[in-house]
Amino acid sequence: KNQVEQSPQSLIILEGKNCTLQCNYTVSPFSNLRWYKQDTGRGPVSLTIMTFSENTKSNGRYTATLDADTKQSSLHITASQLSDSASYICVVDSGGGADGLTFGKGTHLIIQP
Amino acid sequence: DAGVIQSPRHEVTEMGQEVTLRCKPISGHDYLFWYRQTMMRGLELLIYFNNNVPIDDSGMPEDRFSAKMPNASFSTLKIQPSEPRDSAVYFCASSLWDGVYQPQHFGDGTRLSIL
Repeated sequence: KNQVEQSPQSLIILEGKNCTLQCNYTVSPFSNLRWYKQDTGRGPVSLTIMTFSENTKSNGRYTATLDADTKQSSLHITASQLSDSASYICVVDSGGGADGLTFGKGTHLIIQP
Repeated sequence: DAGVIQSPRHEVTEMGQEVTLRCKPISGHDYLFWYRQTMMRGLELLIYFNNNVPIDDSGMPEDRFSAKMPNASFSTLKIQPSEPRDSAVYFCASSLWDGVYQPQHFGDGTRLSIL
């Protein structure tokens, strides 16, 4: 069964600090991996999409990495800001249509001043 | 550009009532998705359309749920009759397939409470 596991479930860090969120998956076949940011009361917003051949992709202070061999991805946030407080959702696409998407349950990140 | 627009933002109704959720996708997008999000199960795909045609509705939980897309700029998700376990946030998303992987653009959701 295709699964996406995210860790930690929740995380609290101080403003200005860095943090790394993890995503492990058992989805097969693999087409691409996506990270979304979801602010409270809002819909998810895409941060990055990585295909099999991409090891890293950045979007401002967000950097996603992908190791397709170990089926792991991470999202690194540099110099965190209060606006980074949100849930971060990892989604793995096995290809073949939207029913090939497997969603993680997300990591809830809180940035404290 | 306007994003995906959903209405209403909040809906509170009694069990047994019919509920209709509405979505206007981003102009030019050819895919539309309906999701449900709960704390326990996260995001779940209910149904998606390509060029207004339903492609996969295997995620629709029961016959009480139905979705339509009469044209490229409008879709509805209907629950009849509603039950308390349908309480969740329902998201609509749209995307464009142009040969490379494009992200889905989500609306801000409808928070549905069935009493």
